Amino acid sequence: DAKTTQPPSMDCAEGRAANLPCNHSTISGNEYVYWYRQIHSQGPQYIIHGLKNNETNEMASLIITEDRKSSTLILPHATLRDTAVYYCIVRVAGYNQGGKLIFGQGTELSVKP
Amino acid sequence: GAVVSQHPSWVICKSGTSVKIECRSLDFQATTMFWYRQFPKQSLMLMATSNEGSKATYEQGVEKDKFLINHASLTLSTLTVTSAHPEDSSFYICSARSETSLYTQYFGPGTRLTVL
Repeated sequence: DAKTTQPPSMDCAEGRAANLPCNHSTISGNEYVYWYRQIHSQGPQYIIHGLKNNETNEMASLIITEDRKSSTLILPHATLRDTAVYYCIVRVAGYNQGGKLIFGQGTELSVKP
Repeated sequence: GAVVSQHPSWVICKSGTSVKIECRSLDFQATTMFWYRQFPKQSLMLMATSNEGSKATYEQGVEKDKFLINHASLTLSTLTVTSAHPEDSSFYICSARSETSLYTQYFGPGTRLTVL
């Protein structure tokens, strides 16, 4: 699976949009981009995933560049409860692909009042 | 939907004893579950892949005789830490792969193991 690069930490003001970048320049054509977050002392929480089109759900939006070498997770109105470590992971989807998730160091997002 | 539970949420045991951790997918069936370990201030490290009805596949460096994994049903996988030692103290997290949603993994809340 392709390696990802994320900034180690970011701050965001409460109520503002949080934009978390991820570089995955060696991503393959059949690899998806997944985002998870981990609040302190809890298991990771699935946020969103996408292949090449932008995606939106009730939690966040995922913007993937046209060349798919980078993506941005957007939390439109960050709250204090969004303070967590955010992980960007690329992997091949599908039953026969093994399904391993390899976690990097992620981005520690601090939402401040 | 896609809820995964773990039991217990925390456990303290004496050195040399064995501890069993359960991972359940509550509202979906999971032919594949995964076990991770996380030390303080570090990221998650995959320990093994658990497949229903077959032997687990362990990552390099993980002792299969020490970390016994059983996946006897489509909703339950167990991890047994045998002859636990203080260096086994960690946060153990399982995930279950949903066969819908492109096999997205959903994680349990984790189990904090402390070995005295």
